[in-house]
Amino acid sequence: EVQLVESGGGLVQPGGSLRLSCAASGFTFSSSWMSWVRQAPGKGLEWVATIKQDGSEKYYVDSVKGRFTISRDNAKNSLYLQMNSLRAEDTAVYYCTSSDYWGQGTLVTVSS
Amino acid sequence: QSVVTQPPSASGTPGQRVTISCSGSSSNIGSNYVYWYQQLPGTAPKLLIYRNNQRPSGVPDRFSGSKSGTSASLAISGLRSEDEADYYCAAWDDSLSGRVFGGGTKLTVL
Repeated sequence: EVQLVESGGGLVQPGGSLRLSCAASGFTFSSSWMSWVRQAPGKGLEWVATIKQDGSEKYYVDSVKGRFTISRDNAKNSLYLQMNSLRAEDTAVYYCTSSDYWGQGTLVTVSS
Repeated sequence: QSVVTQPPSASGTPGQRVTISCSGSSSNIGSNYVYWYQQLPGTAPKLLIYRNNQRPSGVPDRFSGSKSGTSASLAISGLRSEDEADYYCAAWDDSLSGRVFGGGTKLTVL
């Protein structure tokens, strides 16, 4: 059974940092492009970042460039999102996805 | 404003066929595969259609996808109450070097 389990969300003050993790199982993680997609409360899906299988290519939505970093550890079947300089508009449920499969999401709330 | 456009809402009665459109440009839908996702209330998105018209195993054949030029469509036949959900199209955009999602279509089964 395929599983993507996100963790690391929570309440953080504006300007703060969080690191999201995603543990993958049940499929060949090392062969999969992986992404983070977020959904603000009551809003649609927004792509955040994508990383190639070997980590050699990374892509980001303009609004997070320079603040967020996507990374992966294929030995641990894990995906990460380091989020710095967080803003109120980053408040959302963050999903880990291989496109075919999605985790249940982790909520990030940026508020003072 | 999404670079890929979907109608915000659609509706139909049980048993009907409904179609949801997704309009983009040459840099996204026109040159890359289209994916469709279903998001039931309070749950994570689920892949419905990949590579324009392919169904993952387990997705009923009531769901079908098509693409023509810079537009794509999701068709749902034999509409059921459990199909009531939000539907999103997505594609890679070569100009943005990123993935773009449509704004989503809320499907109501009357």
